[in-house]
Amino acid sequence: GQQVMQIPQYQHVQEGEDFTTYCNSSTTLSNIQWYKQRPGGHPVFLIQLVKSGEVKKQKRLTFQFGEAKKNSSLHITATQTTDVGTYFCADFSGGSNYKLTFGKGTLLTVNP
Amino acid sequence: NAGVTQTPKFQVLKTGQSMTLQCAQDMNHNSMYWYRQDPGMGLRLIYYSASEGTTDKGEVPNGYNVSRLNKREFSLRLESAAPSQTSVYFCASSLGQGVRGEKLFFGSGTQLSVL
Repeated sequence: GQQVMQIPQYQHVQEGEDFTTYCNSSTTLSNIQWYKQRPGGHPVFLIQLVKSGEVKKQKRLTFQFGEAKKNSSLHITATQTTDVGTYFCADFSGGSNYKLTFGKGTLLTVNP
Repeated sequence: NAGVTQTPKFQVLKTGQSMTLQCAQDMNHNSMYWYRQDPGMGLRLIYYSASEGTTDKGEVPNGYNVSRLNKREFSLRLESAAPSQTSVYFCASSLGQGVRGEKLFFGSGTQLSVL
């Protein structure tokens, strides 16, 4: 089954509002990756977090890895209509270098 | 650079029919993957090939076979399609240097319907 639980499943915001999606696990995560999939498109890699407590920023996007490496979050400041899509977190399950297990994703819609 | 190319983009099958989904990458990557995406289920790994000449099962391999034809190509075969295999299929590749944490590059997907 899924190693990572992602919440919320859906989020609708007004343009300009902030958005956060969370990725949680009962076991220690190894390398958390985040992907974005635009409607009708394919997943595109955004970032990877490896270290406990790591925080990385990409313009309006802030990614965090929990101190215990059991959770991660993606925060978007002042959403824009171009942020619409599904955001997935993913982790390498079972110690594998290849089996990337995805969360179910958070679908973000933005009302202009 | 085309990246990861999948064919066909759309396919409709009848139950029991067989078909092969094709995938090719031009990035000289060693590792390739097949995922399926169903509404509300995220992406689930079907099979992967860590390097040319090897293939391994993922999370949901039943009903599928794969062939790593060469370094560039990785095909997914449905021998006897079932309605439960209606899904969007994504092929992906990564550098495959045996290091955890390589990012995946995805193809544009194949939308498959089994009636």
